Amino acid sequence: KQEVTQIPAALSVPEGENLVLNCSFTDSAIYNLQWFRQDPGKGLTSLLLIQSSQREQTSGRLNASLDKSSGRSTLYIAASQPGDSATYLCAVPGGSYIPTFGRGTSLIVHP
Amino acid sequence: DAGITQSPRHKVTETGTPVTLRCHQTENHRYMYWYRQDPGHGLRLIHYSYGVKDTDKGEVSDGYSVSRSKTEDFLLTLESATSSQTSVYFCAISDPGPGYYGYTFGSGTRLTVV
Repeated sequence: KQEVTQIPAALSVPEGENLVLNCSFTDSAIYNLQWFRQDPGKGLTSLLLIQSSQREQTSGRLNASLDKSSGRSTLYIAASQPGDSATYLCAVPGGSYIPTFGRGTSLIVHP
Repeated sequence: DAGITQSPRHKVTETGTPVTLRCHQTENHRYMYWYRQDPGHGLRLIHYSYGVKDTDKGEVSDGYSVSRSKTEDFLLTLESATSSQTSVYFCAISDPGPGYYGYTFGSGTRLTVV
């Protein structure tokens, strides 16, 4: 059974720092990995989708990498801003295309 | 999110009453999912559908039923609501075909059972 772990569970940083959020998975036979953002009281918003054939995806200040062999993905946030404060989740699809989610990293960026 | 809507957004109901939540999509995606999200538990899958009239149970399906009579609609019914079903419910869609874009989530329904 696929298990997804996200470290750290919580992070509080001053504005401007570069951040790395980690996502690890136990079964490396994945098609892709997706990063989401969730604001309090809101739904999940997709940030980046990395296909298994790719190593990186970039969107603005976000960069996600995928290393299937080691079962790891990282989400890099450059020059963090208070508006980046949210919970970040990663997900990998499993059997019947049912995703397995990590518990998320709760990020607070203070001015 | 564009292409997927949930209704109602908020609902308060009494213990023992039936409740139906609706998920509607305009993306023609084959897969639809119902999740509940509770503090300390993360996202938990209730039921999912892989086509019209094709559904299956998730990890927390007890007390819930679903129906999908059309590609665009996936209904979640609480047959007799209990306080333990107070939660935020999310619908998601996906389609593994060409041009796969991952999972897309609705904005959620906050259900309170009193």
